[in-house]
Amino acid sequence: DTGVSQDPRHKITKRGQNVTFRCDPISEHNRLYWYRQTLGQGPEFLTYFQNEAQLEKSRLLSDRFSAERPKGSFSTLEIQRTEQGDSAMYLCASSPTGTGGETQYFGPGTRLLVL
Amino acid sequence: AQSVTQLDSQVPVFEEAPVELRCNYSSSVSVYLFWYVQYPNQGLQLLLKYLSGSTLVKGINGFEAEFNKSQTSFHLRKPSVHISDTAEYFCASFAGGGADGLTFGKGTHLIIQP
Repeated sequence: DTGVSQDPRHKITKRGQNVTFRCDPISEHNRLYWYRQTLGQGPEFLTYFQNEAQLEKSRLLSDRFSAERPKGSFSTLEIQRTEQGDSAMYLCASSPTGTGGETQYFGPGTRLLVL
Repeated sequence: AQSVTQLDSQVPVFEEAPVELRCNYSSSVSVYLFWYVQYPNQGLQLLLKYLSGSTLVKGINGFEAEFNKSQTSFHLRKPSVHISDTAEYFCASFAGGGADGLTFGKGTHLIIQP
């Protein structure tokens, strides 16, 4: 069973460093979503891809954040000049082709700690 | 704009007792509704979803939920809980088009006491 995978599972970095996370969606799922979850909160939407096109970005996604999905397969989320407030769980989800994106399958997440 | 409110941040219940986790939603358009479960340090697993049709939906692990449009609610229920049900439960909504992803509540921590 190849569900959504994310790498790394954990990342500790120092403030000011750049970090990059990877998400591999379920094969042939054309929609891919990124969310951020802070302690004690539900996940919050960051951005959304349909195939390789980034179609929506939340206002939570500051200029220090960038996401890509080359060739419409895996996706990367980069945070530049990390801040302590970036510490969170970053979740990726994919949604099957032919649906409206409503049914999403989540990966295990990448937990980021910025010191 | 959508919003989801989970009325209880924490629900303690004894093993084998019934449980109800409450969820209310607000939206100016029709929405789909979901319940997800999250175990410690893991991602979210879909428990059940309401897209259309019967307002009573059944999910995995013996959970069910009822969509009530007049009360804008989607409460989650289980007739008899087990220790393994201890987890964080999230209610979520999704508006057609999906451009903004899922909108989640803050979660309810279900604590099963032996």
